[in-house]
Amino acid sequence: GQNIDQPTEMTATEGAIVQINCTYQTSGFNGLFWYQQHAGEAPTFLSYNVLDGLEEKGRFSSFLSRSKGYSYLLLKELQMKDSASYLCAVRDQSNYQLIWGAGTKLIIKP
Amino acid sequence: DAGITQSPRHKVTETGTPVTLRCHQTENHRYMYWYRQDPGHGLRLIHYSYGVKDTDKGEVSDGYSVSRSKTEDFLLTLESATSSQTSVYFCAISPPGQGLSGELFFGEGSRLTVL
Repeated sequence: GQNIDQPTEMTATEGAIVQINCTYQTSGFNGLFWYQQHAGEAPTFLSYNVLDGLEEKGRFSSFLSRSKGYSYLLLKELQMKDSASYLCAVRDQSNYQLIWGAGTKLIIKP
Repeated sequence: DAGITQSPRHKVTETGTPVTLRCHQTENHRYMYWYRQDPGHGLRLIHYSYGVKDTDKGEVSDGYSVSRSKTEDFLLTLESATSSQTSVYFCAISPPGQGLSGELFFGEGSRLTVL
């Protein structure tokens, strides 16, 4: 079967670092995406991983291990504006459609 | 920002009535998508299009139809709305070169309530 798992909610402190995990099972893998979604708004693209390893983009980094079916999004120097839901999605090799996790709501406290 | 707009942004309707949501893009992208988003669920693909008059079903297409007569417009129709179709609907586009479901740019969303 196809499935994406990520924690429902996480809390972190302003200025700190937080890691949001995503595990997946798919019949065929063709890339993993992370999106950010503020409450009441549309998702916006953060990162794309297709090969194993770490992709860094400013304060945000995304890691992928295909053999483990695992990814994480690392957010550094947290700011209040990082309070949002973070969506993990895997592209299925067979039909190129995305399988989405339910999202992780990240709450930042001062 | 990608030029993608949805209309209407909010709609309340009654069970059994037809509803059409419109997605308009100014990017001339080939791929367009309709998703629904419900609490506790990931985004779910309803239908997608890979060109004018070329559309295909996603994982939750029952009760929905789409049309794409022009590159810039992708319409989602609920022929006879049901309460289970109460949701937030997102249109998305993706640029060429990344294949289907590459980096997606989403519209602002259309919140539909079916009473």
